[in-house]
Amino acid sequence: DIQLTQSPSFLSASVGDRVTITCRASQGISSYLAWYQQKPGKAPKLLIYAASTLQSGVPSRFSGSGSGTEFTLTISSLQPEDFATYYCQQLNSYPFTFGPGTKVDIK
Amino acid sequence: EVQLVESGGGLVQPGRSLRLSCAASGFTFDDYAMHWVRQAPGKGLEWVSGISWNSGSIGYADSVKGRFTISRDNAKNSLYLQMNSLRAEDTALYYCVQGVPGDYWGQGTLVTVSS
Repeated sequence: DIQLTQSPSFLSASVGDRVTITCRASQGISSYLAWYQQKPGKAPKLLIYAASTLQSGVPSRFSGSGSGTEFTLTISSLQPEDFATYYCQQLNSYPFTFGPGTKVDIK
Repeated sequence: EVQLVESGGGLVQPGRSLRLSCAASGFTFDDYAMHWVRQAPGKGLEWVSGISWNSGSIGYADSVKGRFTISRDNAKNSLYLQMNSLRAEDTALYYCVQGVPGDYWGQGTLVTVSS
C-alpha cells in the first residue's frame, strides 16, 4: 500500500502569509494526488486534483505542484477563511490513502 | 444540485453488523465511481472503500478488508456499505463521496461501536 506523509503536521501563520504544505508518497504516484480542506464540523472540500489542477470555484491563491513522490500545496496569501486542516490523498491505486493532515492555525 | 444522504448509522455492539446506505441525487449516478471515507472523532480522514461505476473495480482499506462489503444499485441511485464484525476502532463518521477525486461529500452518518 502507498503511504503518505505530510509536513508540517501543524503550522501557525498570520493573515497574508505564504504557506506551503508538503505531501510525500512512499512510492511514485505520477500526478494522482488531490488536496482537500476541512473545517471543524464540516465535510472536506476538494481544492486541487491531478496534483496541480484547481477545482472550479476554488480561489486562485491556492496552487499545487509536484509529481512522482513529492507534492506541495501553496496558499499565496493566507486569508481568515483558510484556517483549517488540509489533507492530501493519493488516487494512483487502491487503497486511496489520505495523508495525516496539516492543521493551519492563527498565529 | 448534487445531494448525497447517508443513513444507517447508530450504536452497535462489538461483533455485530450494520448496513450503511447513501442516496444520491442531482447527477447521473452510474457515471461515477463512489467511495466511503470515515473519520474517527478528533482524527484524520481514512479512505474505507471504493467502487467503480459498474461495480467492476472494488477496493478496501486493509483495516476493513474481509469485514466490509461495498455495493451499489444504479437503478436506485444508491451506494451501500455492509459492515460485519464491527470493532470499537470502526467508530467514526462515515461519509459517502462522489467521484475520483471526491468532488461531492455527504454530511456523514455516525457509527458508534460500543458495548
